[in-house]
Amino acid sequence: EVVLTQSPATLSLSPGERATLSCRASQSVSSYLAWYQQKPGQAPRLLIYDASNRATGIPARFSGSGSGTDFTLTISSLEPEDFAVYYCQQRSNWPPRWTFGQGTKVEIK
Amino acid sequence: QVTLKESGPVLVKPTGTLMLTCTVSGFSLNNAKMGVSWIRQPPGKALEWLAHIFSNDEKSYSSSLKSRLTISKDTSISQVVLTMTNMDPVDTGTYYCARINPYYSMDVWGIGTTVTVSS
Repeated sequence: EVVLTQSPATLSLSPGERATLSCRASQSVSSYLAWYQQKPGQAPRLLIYDASNRATGIPARFSGSGSGTDFTLTISSLEPEDFAVYYCQQRSNWPPRWTFGQGTKVEIK
Repeated sequence: QVTLKESGPVLVKPTGTLMLTCTVSGFSLNNAKMGVSWIRQPPGKALEWLAHIFSNDEKSYSSSLKSRLTISKDTSISQVVLTMTNMDPVDTGTYYCARINPYYSMDVWGIGTTVTVSS
């Protein structure tokens, strides 16, 4: 089973700064990687699918890159509403099974 | 507008069985490119995928929980049901259902339902 490792666990930044979040897979997941944002008390929200495609309604400041085992979520300039926990997620080919990383918390410095 | 809503008991006794229902609207459970997954989150911890059901009724389960889980659907009433047997306090948390889109991503989520396992 694929294990996703996210780093760092916590990222302390100020509004306007650039955030770079990492997700590493224990084996290749091709481009089958998604990113989610979760705010306290809320359900997760899909940001990026297939490694680099923004979901509907997601601002352009969010971008994803990578393939194989190393992936990155970049927030180009943090807005106040971007401080949250971010999860990466992969799916196996068949039968589809999904696994999540342990999350990265982006907090206000 | 696509929505999903979870419902089920708030409190379950240890060794008991949990039955959760996900009622969907705005899309059909017969849609060939869509499916529904269940995901849970213990308090303060990460998300964990549990099970998935496809439009053709094929099912997929978490390897670690497979023996305890059953997922099913009733297309006529737009509901997906998850049962989990032999509940333990470590199963306490928020349980979500989510739609899986043609890209196998969870694009719409329910608000979640909180389950506590305690005697």
